Amino acid sequence: GAVVSQHPSWVICKSGTSVKIECRSLDFQATTMFWYRQFPKQSLMLMATSNEGSKATYEQGVEKDKFLINHASLTLSTLTVTSAHPEDSSFYICSASPRNEQYFGPGTRLTVT
Amino acid sequence: DQQVKQNSPSLSVQEGRISILNCDYTNSMFDYFLWYKKYPAEGPTFLISISSIKDKNEDGRFTVFLNKSAKHLSLHIVPSQPGDSAVYFCAASVNSGGSNYKLTFGKGTLLTVNP
Repeated sequence: GAVVSQHPSWVICKSGTSVKIECRSLDFQATTMFWYRQFPKQSLMLMATSNEGSKATYEQGVEKDKFLINHASLTLSTLTVTSAHPEDSSFYICSASPRNEQYFGPGTRLTVT
Repeated sequence: DQQVKQNSPSLSVQEGRISILNCDYTNSMFDYFLWYKKYPAEGPTFLISISSIKDKNEDGRFTVFLNKSAKHLSLHIVPSQPGDSAVYFCAASVNSGGSNYKLTFGKGTLLTVNP
């Protein structure tokens, strides 16, 4: 099956700092990757669609200047949470699709203190 | 407005019995449906999917049924095993072709399989 990795798996940062999360497709190329966020006991909420070589498409209500997405290659997308605040603490998950099914990374737990 | 609904937040079944997880949707444009399994602090794992041109898809112990007229789908797990205990998410998409479609998720159902 398709494998998607994320790094780091967890990160703790101070309020006001920026954090970068990497998402890699290990055994396939992905022109499109997706970034989700999940709060405790909530569903996965799509934040943005990352497109290789072009700008990301953000869902309504997601601040593009706060959540910077870069999809520089066919196997790597990065999400940077800029000037993080405690309310940004969440579980961030990326996904990519070699066919019709999306495969998810293991997720990144972000805690902002 | 939640377009994909999983109305049962939890379900408990006995090992060896059948688990039935339900999902309803409101958007008639959805044409591809997926079930994912998720453990805490991990990403979802793809289980099984079904296209709107079918009404059933089976893979081992997992079977997904789709009733388009009722806008309802269900996941059957038989026989249920303790290792199946997890949160199960139903997801749907428009435009099932290609690899760049967006998924809309339900809120999930926590399945507990008791030994």
